[in-house]
Amino acid sequence: RKEVEQDPGPFNVPEGATVAFNCTYSNSASQSFFWYRQDCRKEPKLLMSVYSSGNEDGRFTAQLNRASQYISLLIRDSKLSDSATYLCVVNMRGSASKIIFGSGTRLSIRP
Amino acid sequence: GAVVSQHPSRVICKSGTSVKIECRSLDFQATTMFWYRQFPKQSLMLMATSNEGSKATYEQGVEKDKFLINHASLTLSTLTVTSAHPEDSSFYICSARDQAGKVDTQYFGPGTRLTVL
Repeated sequence: RKEVEQDPGPFNVPEGATVAFNCTYSNSASQSFFWYRQDCRKEPKLLMSVYSSGNEDGRFTAQLNRASQYISLLIRDSKLSDSATYLCVVNMRGSASKIIFGSGTRLSIRP
Repeated sequence: GAVVSQHPSRVICKSGTSVKIECRSLDFQATTMFWYRQFPKQSLMLMATSNEGSKATYEQGVEKDKFLINHASLTLSTLTVTSAHPEDSSFYICSARDQAGKVDTQYFGPGTRLTVL
């Protein structure tokens, strides 16, 4: 089983729709979580951190479920510019501190 | 947010030559930097973790003698692809770890596109 798993998509949704995707992680020692966005042929950019209490930034909401070991990203009122690959990132602290990337979920917003 | 630069952004070289890529954290100190490789339509693959003042830690399957990493200061890590071959052509991205804030965060450089002829 992969340490971090994401549905690769693509998710193809109309502009204005709400879309959500999940990411599961296997190591319960994971301590911090992030969503990154990567545009084609560009480097990943931090979209938001994911806190235990959940967090919201404009149209984006991230949630963490430690019991079931997954994080989610919800995008409301999607825009054409939201088309990108969304990477789930999990950080394990401690002696084997390591940051693990999911393989990404491709999102395509159509007019 | 924090800024990480990478140089060069693009390089084309002949097979057998060595290529050096620099990664700099511009407004924070990074004791740890990471080097990733990404082939077209694939995910980022961690190659190695670069630790300031000590040897890099390589992921399984990554040859340390082929991908030389030097992290000589708190703001600079270099990756040298020695005797590059066409199969080394890829997008190489570095990231620097900012542990100063409440949340340990990685910031990525813009990437270096390497083409080996």
